[in-house]
Amino acid sequence: ETGVTQTPRHLVMGMTNKKSLKCEQHLGHNAMYWYKQSAKKPLELMFVYNFKEQTENNSVPSRFSPECPNSSHLFLHLHTLQPEDSALYLCASSQDWGENGELFFGEGSRLTVL
Amino acid sequence: GNSVTQMEGPVTLSEEAFLTINCTYTATGYPSLFWYVQYPGEGLQLLLKATKADDKGSNKGFEATYRKETTSFHLEKGSVQVSDSAVYFCALSDHRGNKLTFGTGTQLKVEL
Repeated sequence: ETGVTQTPRHLVMGMTNKKSLKCEQHLGHNAMYWYKQSAKKPLELMFVYNFKEQTENNSVPSRFSPECPNSSHLFLHLHTLQPEDSALYLCASSQDWGENGELFFGEGSRLTVL
Repeated sequence: GNSVTQMEGPVTLSEEAFLTINCTYTATGYPSLFWYVQYPGEGLQLLLKATKADDKGSNKGFEATYRKETTSFHLEKGSVQVSDSAVYFCALSDHRGNKLTFGTGTQLKVEL
């Protein structure tokens, strides 16, 4: 199994739908992250969890709701999204919320909001 | 705040050509610097890093030197291959946790 697995790889949803993105890491890491990758823009950090506790919420709209039930799983619940939310959503993990800077990324979930 | 500026792509090179992708940064203090690479259809993976001034990070034939005086961390490779085609991201960490600030990415296309 790859280190960080994201499902689904592709998702198309309407503005009134509710869906969830799932991330699972098999590396024994303690910190997990959600990033948003849009064309021509830097990666945007959305949320950070360390030992299941949220340590960072980078002013993300409430239509994005993260959940971290344990150190290996991270969800991003989506509801009433806007077309501008269409992007690649990347999950990452690291050993600890520390100074290393080495993150391990999943392949991403490509989201299209109609 | 922190920021990272990369050269815009795409950069198109012939195989065995010399590669330079420029990266400059703005940060308080002494950040750590990173290059991440994203191959088609994959997530980002760490390519190399440098944690203090004058350090040189290297991996898979790629190199980058932390230049504090010019606030730069340019990526170089002496002879690129088709398999190096990817998007390259420069990033910095200001040591407040693993909060990385990324550049916009530079797409590299290597042709035969």
